Amino acid sequence: TQLLEQSPQFLSIQEGENLTVYCNSSSVFSSLQWYRQEPGEGPVLLVTVVTGGEVKKLKRLTFQFGDARKDSSLHITAAQPGDTGLYLCAGELGGTYKYIFGTGTRLKVLA
Amino acid sequence: DADVTQTPRNRITKTGKRIMLECSQTKGHDRMYWYRQDPGLGLRLIYYSFDVKDINKGEISDGYSVSRQAQAKFSLSLESAIPNQTALYFCATSDWTKGYTFGSGTRLTVV
Repeated sequence: TQLLEQSPQFLSIQEGENLTVYCNSSSVFSSLQWYRQEPGEGPVLLVTVVTGGEVKKLKRLTFQFGDARKDSSLHITAAQPGDTGLYLCAGELGGTYKYIFGTGTRLKVLA
Repeated sequence: DADVTQTPRNRITKTGKRIMLECSQTKGHDRMYWYRQDPGLGLRLIYYSFDVKDINKGEISDGYSVSRQAQAKFSLSLESAIPNQTALYFCATSDWTKGYTFGSGTRLTVV
């Protein structure tokens, strides 16, 4: 059973466009993380959100944790080719220090 | 040197063979994890360890075993490899306040 669903699965856009990636679950998470993974490498942590409704910004990336801590979104403004990669969300269940990963969104930004 | 080092990077093995994947870390973290990544399924937890004397099964532990030889070393074994264990395997460590640090992965093919 996949606890975390990400949408869309694939996204191909032109440089300069904006996009939003969604991470949804019926479970409540203690915290949620976003990672970016490039081919041949392991995922790299972008951000951790822990409070319902929390918004964090990392340059052109904006992350939001849902009020009920069941969902999250990642918004990229003015996407660049360097943003290309696989974006993964991961939620921690009940303070277990184990993270359940989403299915991933594969983003390609065309120059 | 990388914070989390996995060996080998690539391996092709035959059905029924025993294989060990090794992981070492210089982060000084107590928590270590093994995940496998399959297209469309995201990352799934195989085993995790919160200290040298602590080993726990993840969601897909059948067919795998692990050994925590030291704080810095956590190895994953496939006692009798089968083709559906073909996947990308990742080792990770964590300081729970800062998320996971992943290795670069081992691409395993069982023929």
